[in-house]
Amino acid sequence: EVQLVQSGAEVKKPGESLKISCKGSGFNFPTYWIGWVRQMPGKGLDWMGIIYPGDSDTRYSPSFQGQVTISADKSIDTAYLQWSSLKASDTAMYFCVAGQHLEIGDYWGQGTLVSVSS
Amino acid sequence: QSVLTQPPSVSGAPGQRVTISCTGSSSNIGAAYDVQWYQQLPGTAPKLLIYGDTDRPSGVPDRFSGSTSGTSASLTITGLQAEDEGDYYCQSYDSSLSGWVFGGGTKLTVL
Repeated sequence: EVQLVQSGAEVKKPGESLKISCKGSGFNFPTYWIGWVRQMPGKGLDWMGIIYPGDSDTRYSPSFQGQVTISADKSIDTAYLQWSSLKASDTAMYFCVAGQHLEIGDYWGQGTLVSVSS
Repeated sequence: QSVLTQPPSVSGAPGQRVTISCTGSSSNIGAAYDVQWYQQLPGTAPKLLIYGDTDRPSGVPDRFSGSTSGTSASLTITGLQAEDEGDYYCQSYDSSLSGWVFGGGTKLTVL
C-alpha cells in the first residue's frame, strides 16, 4: 500500500525556522516526483514546488521561489519543506504529493498544519 | 486569482448529474497538458479522481468522468450521492510558469 506520512502539527512564532517532513512507503521513492501544496485556511490549493529524489532535480513555483526550500533524502525515502524565517501568512495546511509523472499527483500525504503567531 | 477558472459552487439532488467546468489558456490546457481532478472531502487530504484528462485511478467509481476541449476541461458526476459532497479541484501543468496550476476549487453540495 502506498503511503505518505507527514510530520505532526507545528506551532511557531514569526521569524522562527521550520522543517517539515514527508516519508514515503509502498513505492519506489527515488523514481517519483514529490511535490508540496499549500492550503490556507478556508482556501484552495497552491502548488509550491516539486523534487525528483533520484537526482534532486527541484522546481519551484515563482510565488514560492526564495521563500521555502524543498529537499529530499532518498536513502530514507523522505522529502522536506523548510522555512528559514516564518511569517504569520505561512499559517496553512501543507500537503506532500507523489507522482510517477511530473504533472500528476497520484498520492497525497495527510497534511501538516503549520500555525505561526506571536 | 487562480490560473484555471472553476465555478465556486454547484449543487444537485441525489441521483442527478452535475458538471464542473475548468477553463485555462494556451499555456496549460490549450497546450495539451494533461488535466487532473482531485476530490477533497471535508477535513481530509485531496485525492486523485481523474488523470490524463479522462482516466480514473483504480477504485474510483465510473460515475466520475472527465473530458477536455480546447482550453477547457470538465468533470461530470452522474448518480450523485451524499458522500460526493466536498470540494473539487482541476489541475494542469503550465509552460509559462513551469509548474502545476490549480483551479480555485468548486464546492459540490448534494441537496
